Amino acid sequence: KNEVEQSPQNLTAQEGEFITINCSYSVGISALHWLQQHPGGGIVSLFMLSSGKKKHGRLIATINIQEKHSSLHITASHPRDSAVYICAARNYGGSQGNLIFGKGTKLSVKP
Amino acid sequence: SAVISQKPSRDICQRGTSLTIQCQVDSQVTMMFWYRQQPGQSLTLIATANQGSEATYESGFVIDKFPISRPNLTFSTLTVSNMSPEDSSIYLCSVVRDHVTNEQFFGPGTRLTVL
Repeated sequence: KNEVEQSPQNLTAQEGEFITINCSYSVGISALHWLQQHPGGGIVSLFMLSSGKKKHGRLIATINIQEKHSSLHITASHPRDSAVYICAARNYGGSQGNLIFGKGTKLSVKP
Repeated sequence: SAVISQKPSRDICQRGTSLTIQCQVDSQVTMMFWYRQQPGQSLTLIATANQGSEATYESGFVIDKFPISRPNLTFSTLTVSNMSPEDSSIYLCSVVRDHVTNEQFFGPGTRLTVL
């Protein structure tokens, strides 16, 4: 069982829909990242969370430390949001770059 | 944020050859990393690039295959040596700007295909 699990693996939505991607982890973490990977391969860091909630534009990320669960929400989705969204956890006490990555959620937003 | 550029953005290489990938950051950063993403897989950390000294490699990765340099706080190179088709991957440079925010940023990646 992977230490970081994402669901769903694939998600198709209509433009304007509210989207939720979930991430569960089984290790103690010092931080959790949400990343966006476009088809070309480049990765954009969306959020880094250690508690609570963060919001940037139409994106919201939440984390519940007790339940070891995080969610990424996209409001008013748009075709340009189509990408792979990756959850990555830094082990508590782990080295800086050694993140545990989820397998990603492939989002496709149809016009 | 940190602006990271990588060169080349993609390449197609013959087996047995070597390719050096460059990573340039727009400002000084404390930590630089190299990751590999094989087709359909998650990212895997190859090594931490240390300024002025040998890189710190993760299990399964060795210096002879993936020599890394980091001559200063804004630049690093990763060489993929004696390539085989199994080395076909996206290679990503990543940085942590400082130990206060600890935010990690990723580069655009280099898509490598080995024939």
